[in-house]
Amino acid sequence: NAGVTQTPKFRILKIGQSMTLQCTQDMNHNYMYWYRQDPGMGLKLIYYSVGAGITDKGEVPNGYNVSRSTTEDFPLRLELAAPSQTSVYFCATYVLASGEQYFGPGTRLTVT
Amino acid sequence: DAKTTQPTSMDCAEGRAANLPCNHSTISGNEYVYWYRQIHSQGPQYIIHGLKNNETNEMASLIITEDRKSSTLILPHATLRDTAVYYCIVRVASNDYKLSFGAGTTVTVRA
Repeated sequence: NAGVTQTPKFRILKIGQSMTLQCTQDMNHNYMYWYRQDPGMGLKLIYYSVGAGITDKGEVPNGYNVSRSTTEDFPLRLELAAPSQTSVYFCATYVLASGEQYFGPGTRLTVT
Repeated sequence: DAKTTQPTSMDCAEGRAANLPCNHSTISGNEYVYWYRQIHSQGPQYIIHGLKNNETNEMASLIITEDRKSSTLILPHATLRDTAVYYCIVRVASNDYKLSFGAGTTVTVRA
């Protein structure tokens, strides 16, 4: 049981490039989340999903897109990378009954 | 999510108890208090949660005041590995799924 896995661990992008951050979970949890964490700051919610085919915006969705075609996968897409998107990105699942979240190890993204 | 207020930072001595306060004066009757921690560079980790009774597990104890307007997370014997950012969050477990985090308390355990 791997829990929540994220790839890649690190990435450097040039301004204007695009990329997809991958998130996969093997716990069959319906709820999945993407957060970003800037240096020295707390977590900001980007997007979340309550099940396959359903996504919704969080606090800071601009510049990102998500999809949820399966229960297991919740990729985050950056279309035109900007320096302001330099951050650590965390994916998480959520168990509604208990209120517990399970986080992946994070992806460190630098845009130069 | 109800708003919580935590101190920005605190220090504690290794081997001593660390008492982390959290104010949640606008908490609703069906909202739980959750604590998570984030060790440097890692994803947050669940610690404990409670509704109104005090709770204890292998990691920590949670003390909730009778009026539920504040709570304290207790790490009974702090170690250097407990150095982390600790987040206090209040949530309705059954139907609250737009989940946000505050700034948390940076706890530094010193030898």
